[in-house]
Parts: sequence; structure tokens; C-alpha cells
Amino acid sequence: DAKTTQPTSMDCAEGRAANLPCNHSTISGNEYVYWYRQIHSQGPQYIIHGLKNNETNEMASLIITEDRKSSTLILPHATLRDTAVYYCIVRRTSGSRLTFGEGTQLTVNP
Amino acid sequence: NAGVTQTPKFRVLKTGQSMTLLCAQDMNHEYMYWYRQDPGMGLRLIHYSVGEGTTAKGEVPDGYNVSRLKKQNFLLGLESAAPSQTSVYFCASSPSGTLIRELFFGEGSRLTVL
Repeated sequence: DAKTTQPTSMDCAEGRAANLPCNHSTISGNEYVYWYRQIHSQGPQYIIHGLKNNETNEMASLIITEDRKSSTLILPHATLRDTAVYYCIVRRTSGSRLTFGEGTQLTVNP
Repeated sequence: NAGVTQTPKFRVLKTGQSMTLLCAQDMNHEYMYWYRQDPGMGLRLIHYSVGEGTTAKGEVPDGYNVSRLKKQNFLLGLESAAPSQTSVYFCASSPSGTLIRELFFGEGSRLTVL
């Protein structure tokens, strides 16, 4: 599975959009981009995933660049409860493993 | 719905003692995983299973053994605990990996080895 690179930490004001970047320059054609988050040492929680088209669900939007070498997770209106570590993961279509990196610590400030 | 349940949630061991962590899922998932998470770090895969009766090594398998005798249960064993195994252990499950699916995680088991 391709390696990902994320900033160690980010801050965001409450009510603003949080844009979390992820680099996956070695991604191959059959690999999806997944985002998970982990709130205060709880079990990680799935957010969203995508292949090449932009995706949106009730939690977030995922924007993947045309060359698929990077992506951005967007939380449109961040709340204090969105403070968490966010993991960007690349996984093959038929892969059975999910490999977590260090993630980005997002802190939403009042 | 219980989802993924881990027992015990907390345990303190002395060096050299053995123990087993139990993970149970009620979603009829094929795949199950054990991860460990050390302070300030991401999750690292210990072992995983792609079906009843199967197991495979992950990134950090040394010092651990696993068994998947029943589809709903995935056991993680420490035969001779070491202080380096002090960590939070997370179990996860997912439907077949051939489909694009999310992992469902348990709440974690905090293990301290003295």
C-alpha cells in the first residue's frame, strides 16, 4: 500500500471549515484513499473514502486531485467535538489490511 | 447493536505473565484485526484474520499469538508479557476485503506490564 504524508498538527476556529491535506504521491490505480479519525484514544472512526471522484457524506467531503497524488478532507463547519487525530490511509481494492500513519492532530478552538 | 466488544478493558500484568485479550463481533464480518497503539503514535497492525481458522502476521507480530476458532471471535495472546507490550490494544472487524468497506473498531484494551 502507498505511503501517506500528513502535517503533524493543525488548528481551526469553531464554525470554520477545516481542510486537512494528505500526500500520497506513490498511489497506484487500484488504491483507494480512506480517512479515519480518533477522538481522545477511543477506537478510530471511519469518515469517508474515495478513488478518484470527489465524495461527500454527512460527516465530510473528500477532494482528490486529478493526478490522485494528494487529497483534502474537508469538515465544512468544524465543532469542538471534531478535535481528534485524523488519519489518511491508502488501501488496495482487494487489500485486507489498513495501515495507519501518524495522522494529523486537529484542534478546533472556540 | 454491540458491534465490536473487547475484554478486558484494563489489565495490569507482571513481566513474564500470560494473558488473552478477547475480541467479539456480532456483525458476521469475515475480517478481524488486532492493532496496538503506543502513546502519541498511530496504530500498528499486530495480526489479522481473513476468515474463521485463518490468521496472518501484521507489522509487529513478535511476542503475540492469535486464534480465530469461531468467526465472531478473535483472540490475542501474550505468552510472556514484557514491559514493551504496555500499550492500548484495538480490535477491528470488516466485511470481506474484496469490497470497499470500512473497519469497525472496539473501544480498546489498556494493558500495563510492570
